Parts: sequence; C-alpha cells; structure tokens
Amino acid sequence: DIQMTQSPSTLSASVGDRVTITCRASQSISKWLAWYQQKPGEAPKPLVYEASKLERGVPSRFSGSGSGTEFTLTISSPQPDDFATYYCLQYLTYPLTFGGGTRVEIK
Amino acid sequence: QVHLLETGGGVVQPGGSLRLSCAASGFTFSNYAMHWVRQAPGKGLQWVAMIPNDGKNTVYSDSVKGRFTISRDNSKNTLYLQMNSLRTEDTAVYYCAKSDCNSVDCKRTDYWGQGTLVTVSS
Repeated sequence: DIQMTQSPSTLSASVGDRVTITCRASQSISKWLAWYQQKPGEAPKPLVYEASKLERGVPSRFSGSGSGTEFTLTISSPQPDDFATYYCLQYLTYPLTFGGGTRVEIK
Repeated sequence: QVHLLETGGGVVQPGGSLRLSCAASGFTFSNYAMHWVRQAPGKGLQWVAMIPNDGKNTVYSDSVKGRFTISRDNSKNTLYLQMNSLRTEDTAVYYCAKSDCNSVDCKRTDYWGQGTLVTVSS
C-alpha cells in the first residue's frame, strides 16, 4: 500500500497568514493526488484534484502543487472559514490512502 | 444539484450485520462509479470499497474484504454496503462518495454524502 504522510499534524495561523501543508507519498504517484477540507461534524469537501486543479467553486486563495512524491496545499490568505482539517489522498492505485490530516487552527 | 443521503447506521453487537444505503439524486446514477469511505471517531479517513457503474469488478480494502459487500441498484439510484461479522474497529461514520466517471479506474471522488454512524459495541 502507498503510505501518505502529512505535515504538520497541527498548524496555528492568523487570518491573512500564508499556510502551507505538505503531503509525501511513499512512492511516486505522479499527479494523482487530491486535497479535502473537513469541518467538525461535516463531510469532507473536495478542494483539489490531479495535484493542482481546483474543484468548481473553490476560492482561488487555495492552490495545490507537486508531483511524484511531494505535494503541497497552500492557502494564500486564510479566512475564518478556512480553519479546518485538511487531508490528502492518493488515487493512483487501490487501496486509496489518505494522509493523517492537518488541523489548521486560529492563532 | 448532486445529493447523497446515507441511511442505515446504528448500534450493533460484535459479530452482527448491518446494511447501509446511499440514495443518490441530481445526477445520472447509472453513469458513475461509487465509493464508501469511513472515519472512526476522532480519527482520519479510510477508503473502504468501490463499485463501477455496472456493478462488476468491485474493489475492497483488506480490512473489510470478505466481510463487507458493496452493491448498487441503478433502477433505484441507490448504493449499498452490506456489513457482516462486524468488529469494534468498524465503528465509524460511513460516507458514500460519487466518482467522476464510470469504471473501476475512476478513483477520484467529487461529491460526498453527510455520512451515517455505525457503532459496534456490546
């Protein structure tokens, strides 16, 4: 199975700070990486697919980059609604595997 | 718009069975592969199973293979997850998710339901 390692596990930031979350794959997954946002009590919301493509309706302050084994999700200027937990997912091969999550908290 | 509604969760004893349903609307259900993903309380996400649009060539995680069965009824726009021989570690919120195409290769999900809680406890 492909292991996905996210860092950091928790991040404190102020509104307007730049936030970067990293996801590393245990082997190359090319561009087959997605990012999800989850708020307490809610379902995960797809944000990014194919490493860098934004889902419809996702604000442009979110961006994804990377390929192979290292990927990043950046929030250029986080708004109060962006404080949540973020997960990466590799979908190169089954079983699909998620990173452990990054909780983004308000400083 | 796309809407997925999971039902069927509840409390069951270890070794018991439960069937989850996911009612789909707002898209042509028979054209898309579907997935189940779960989340144990306070934990991360774990992919469980997928089914292509035609119901053949299903795929499972090792942790549920042989115990869970994913199926669908395209005439009823409904996805199912039959869970047998349940264990305490199966306790989780179970989400159904729509894929973006129809075959077993369709691994990306673009819409998720709100989930249904399954608790396995004596």
